[in-house]
Amino acid sequence: GDSVTQMEGPVTLSEEAFLTINCTYTATGYPSLFWYVQYPGEGLQLLLKATKADDKGSNKGFEATYRKETTSFHLEKGSVQVSDSAVYFCALTYTGTASKLTFGTGTRLQVTL
Amino acid sequence: AAGVIQSPRHLIKEKRETATLKCYPIPRHDTVYWYQQGPGQDPQFLISFYEKMQSDKGSIPDRFSAQQFSDYHSELNMSSLELGDSALYFCASSLVAGGTNEQYFGPGTRLTVT
Repeated sequence: GDSVTQMEGPVTLSEEAFLTINCTYTATGYPSLFWYVQYPGEGLQLLLKATKADDKGSNKGFEATYRKETTSFHLEKGSVQVSDSAVYFCALTYTGTASKLTFGTGTRLQVTL
Repeated sequence: AAGVIQSPRHLIKEKRETATLKCYPIPRHDTVYWYQQGPGQDPQFLISFYEKMQSDKGSIPDRFSAQQFSDYHSELNMSSLELGDSALYFCASSLVAGGTNEQYFGPGTRLTVT
């Protein structure tokens, strides 16, 4: 079956530091890849997506590139802010079918001043 | 833009009671998904509906049932509640037919069973 593996957290960074959260996947087909963010006490928000190899998803300064050769979708941000503190989930699903999301275990990011 | 609506936002029930959670998807979305999230865990898929028909089933207990109605809203019915059912329950909706199936989540219902 499909699976998503994320680097374990928590990740603690100082404000303006560079962020990388690693994500790799195993898929039976050709999935679309997503990053979701969950702020404390809130639901999951779609942060960015990529639907095919070499696509780069970006939003709010975050980026991730769909790498089929390494089955990876690492999340990056050049300069984090305290307001980025949240849990980040990597996930995959399939286009054209009512397919569930398969999530990684989530990575908690804590940004300090 | 319209988002996924869930009600109630918070629910407290006693063991062996019944709960009903409601979900109103984004207009024109044809698919609804239900997920359960325990503390510190990733969301676990329960069940989904495409065009009002059940499309997939995950780790949903037999005590739970769900349906999608003609107006596309969905309800998750939970009976004989157990302490272990305490969790956040999310509904997500997506457009599958002609879309990318990117799923948008509601704010969740926090169920506490005492």
